[in-house]
Amino acid sequence: ETGVTQSPTHLIKTRGQQVTLRCSSQSGHNTVSWYQQALGQGPQFIFQYYREEENGRGNFPPRFSGLQFPNYSSELNVNALELDDSALYLCASSSGTGTVLTEAFFGQGTRLTVV
Amino acid sequence: GQSLEQPSEVTAVEGAIVQINCTYQTSGFYGLSWYQQHDGGAPTFLSYNGLDGLEETGRFSSFLSRSDSYGYLLLQELQMKDSASYFCAVRITGGFKTIFGAGTRLFVKA
Repeated sequence: ETGVTQSPTHLIKTRGQQVTLRCSSQSGHNTVSWYQQALGQGPQFIFQYYREEENGRGNFPPRFSGLQFPNYSSELNVNALELDDSALYLCASSSGTGTVLTEAFFGQGTRLTVV
Repeated sequence: GQSLEQPSEVTAVEGAIVQINCTYQTSGFYGLSWYQQHDGGAPTFLSYNGLDGLEETGRFSSFLSRSDSYGYLLLQELQMKDSASYFCAVRITGGFKTIFGAGTRLFVKA
């Protein structure tokens, strides 16, 4: 077990709704990254937060947003949900500034289904 | 664009050695990592190469050649529990992005 916890584990939402996913990072880690993983695919990088600031973003539209809190936990918010947003959402925590690829610890993920 | 190529599937027998290759085309490069993911589980970190050469961690080794934009993961003394998906991932410069490959599904047979 990595010490990274995500909630909820499963979620069903209707198209057009908004969702908030939560992640508690491993103790001592100041960097949190979020990924979207479709079935049978590799994780796709959404964004990264370092010390409460977003410092890296993948090719996701602005309706994907996030926050990192002073205790380094994090939220992923998705507005105006679309059917294609159905996926496993993974949170990973690591330490450092982000330039050095330190070992990243992943949570078990949140399985989001949009109907 | 950014891309990582790795084989989609590899099959090997218990006790054998298997190599999973990864070639990458990215704008900038900090290092190459490898992750293992069992069905229904989270990716777990296996190894990291920031410089050329071989890194060994128990039964797993990883190699990087920056000049060839190529790396591989070597799994020795395969066990049934090694059946999983394996992902290579590159941290690129310019925005602290991490790009994952599509994954290689490893099947270990008795």
